[in-house]
Amino acid sequence: QVQLVQSGAEVKKPGSSVKVSCKTSGGTFGSYGITWVRQAPGQGLEWMGRIIPILGIKNSAQKFQGRVTFTADKSTNTAYMEMSSLRFEDTAVYYCARDGVSGPYSAYWGQGTLVTVSS
Amino acid sequence: EIVVTQSPAILSVSPGETVILSCRASQNIRRDLAWYQQKPGQSPRLLIYAASTGATGLPARFSGSGSGTEFTLTISSLQSEDLAVYYCQQYNNWPRTFGQGTKVEIK
Repeated sequence: QVQLVQSGAEVKKPGSSVKVSCKTSGGTFGSYGITWVRQAPGQGLEWMGRIIPILGIKNSAQKFQGRVTFTADKSTNTAYMEMSSLRFEDTAVYYCARDGVSGPYSAYWGQGTLVTVSS
Repeated sequence: EIVVTQSPAILSVSPGETVILSCRASQNIRRDLAWYQQKPGQSPRLLIYAASTGATGLPARFSGSGSGTEFTLTISSLQSEDLAVYYCQQYNNWPRTFGQGTKVEIK
């Protein structure tokens, strides 16, 4: 059974950075893409980017390029999303999700990590 | 960037009714479309992928159809536990994009 467990809630100051982890279990880590999606309060889902750990291939939405870094540690089956230069509007729940067996849709989701940017 | 548009934004229905949600892509995405359900306070859950293939354990009342630019999610005989926001997402091109969601309310 595939499970994704994310790190806990964070409160950060504007201009600082945050790193969210996503530990996976079940399945074969690395062979499937890990996608990051965020959801601002009361808003819809926003696709941020995806990494395929075994290949090191990354794709991200243009608005996050240069400010967000996706990494993965195959030794611990953990993916990471790090965002720098945080702004108030980055306050959101951040989700990680793993690809399905037969395509790059998000079949398995983490529980979400609330990142609050506040002065 | 492919724009994905869902309609309607809000749907208010009675239990037992059939619900049809629409999703339109701004260009041809073949059948590279997924539907997700998000209940209040929960993570999204995959319902449908490849436009019409149900995820494991999906109740039979949920079905998806379409190809190219027009897609639908049908919920037959709506149950009270189907109260949720439903999102479609294209995974044909980068960046992947979501529709803005359809909120299904129970009358």
